[in-house]
Amino acid sequence: RKEVEQDPGPFNVPEGATVAFNCTYSNSASQSFFWYRQDCRKEPKLLMSVYSSGNEDGRFTAQLNRASQYISLLIRDSKLSDSATYLCVVKRRTSYDKVIFGPGTSLSVIP
Amino acid sequence: EAGVVQSPRYKIIEKKQPVAFWCNPISGHNTLYWYRQNLGQGPELLIRYENEEAVDDSQLPKDRFSAERLKGVDSTLKIQPAELGDSAVYLCASSFGDDSDYEQYFGPGTRLTVT
Repeated sequence: RKEVEQDPGPFNVPEGATVAFNCTYSNSASQSFFWYRQDCRKEPKLLMSVYSSGNEDGRFTAQLNRASQYISLLIRDSKLSDSATYLCVVKRRTSYDKVIFGPGTSLSVIP
Repeated sequence: EAGVVQSPRYKIIEKKQPVAFWCNPISGHNTLYWYRQNLGQGPELLIRYENEEAVDDSQLPKDRFSAERLKGVDSTLKIQPAELGDSAVYLCASSFGDDSDYEQYFGPGTRLTVT
């Protein structure tokens, strides 16, 4: 089992739809959590950090459930420009930060 | 401000040949990462540097891969000899420090094809 797993895609949704992605992690020592976005044939870019209390940035809401070891990303009112792969990132500290990327979930927003 | 610079952007080589990738991180960023990304998968960390020191190279296939970061700025990742399975995108990223919450900034990557 991989340390970070994500919903297998692809997700194909119409414009204006609400879509949610889930990510699970297996190591309870994980401390920091992020969502990155990667456009086709481009580099990943930070979308948002995920805080324990949950956080929102415009149409995007991230939630963390430490007890169940999963994080989620909710996108409301999907736009065509939201089409991308969404990568879940988990960091845990040993003697240094260990960074683990999930496999990503692909989203296509359809007109 | 210039972003992370990588070169070359594309490289096609025959198996058993050597290949090298170069990365120039964002100015002032002490932490540098090399990742490999296969199609349909997330980036996999190969090596992480704090200044000149490689603090995590546990995922680097040391029989054929090597990396260096002389003077704690630019870095080079080398594969010798390349194998067919090395075909992937090699991404370099940098961050300001080693704190968990510092954002990683990625370069555009080098797309390697081994034939």
